[in-house]
Amino acid sequence: AQSVSQHNHHVILSEAASLELGCNYSYGGTVNLFWYVQYPGQHLQLLLKYFSGDPLVKGIKGFEAEFIKSKFSFNLRKPSVQWSDTAEYFCAVARFSGFKTIFGAGTRLFVKA
Amino acid sequence: DGGITQSPKYLFRKEGQNVTLSCEQNLNHDAMYWYRQDPGQGLRLIYYSQIVNDFQKGDIAEGYSVSREKKESFPLTVTSAQKNPTAFYLCASTPGGGSNQPQHFGDGTRLSIL
Repeated sequence: AQSVSQHNHHVILSEAASLELGCNYSYGGTVNLFWYVQYPGQHLQLLLKYFSGDPLVKGIKGFEAEFIKSKFSFNLRKPSVQWSDTAEYFCAVARFSGFKTIFGAGTRLFVKA
Repeated sequence: DGGITQSPKYLFRKEGQNVTLSCEQNLNHDAMYWYRQDPGQGLRLIYYSQIVNDFQKGDIAEGYSVSREKKESFPLTVTSAQKNPTAFYLCASTPGGGSNQPQHFGDGTRLSIL
């Protein structure tokens, strides 16, 4: 069965530190990839997405993610985090020809001011 | 502002009782979804609907039922057959059924057992 694995459940960083959240998936075919974010008290929203083309994609608020097909990975990065990045981050994968989206367990990021 | 409205925000269920969670969208989206979120498990798909009057079971449909009589509405009933209903329930929608479409989410309903 298709699955999505997020490496860290909780991450604590100081402001200005660099961030990398790992995401690996198990499906071997063509996929569409997403990162969603849920800020405290807000609904889940799209951070960035990859469908095809340049494997390095940029999203909102300075986030980027790199798709490495050979490693089945789609890691999320940000060079310098801010206190306002405190949130829960979800990686999600959907088969290109499918309908369902599979979500990872989420990573809670806390940024210390 | 277009979006998805879920109600109520908090819901309590007695043993043996059915409860219905509301999900309404004014985005004119064709497809709608229900997910269950448990701590440390991410979102798991309960049911989805690609079009009015049609819906399919997701990965954890047992103990749940849905209807899709109107495009904008996709209510979820948690029946007494669902033995562990305490969770956070999220409703989502997409314009169509393609897997390349990001999902729009509501604010969720937290269901607890009395």
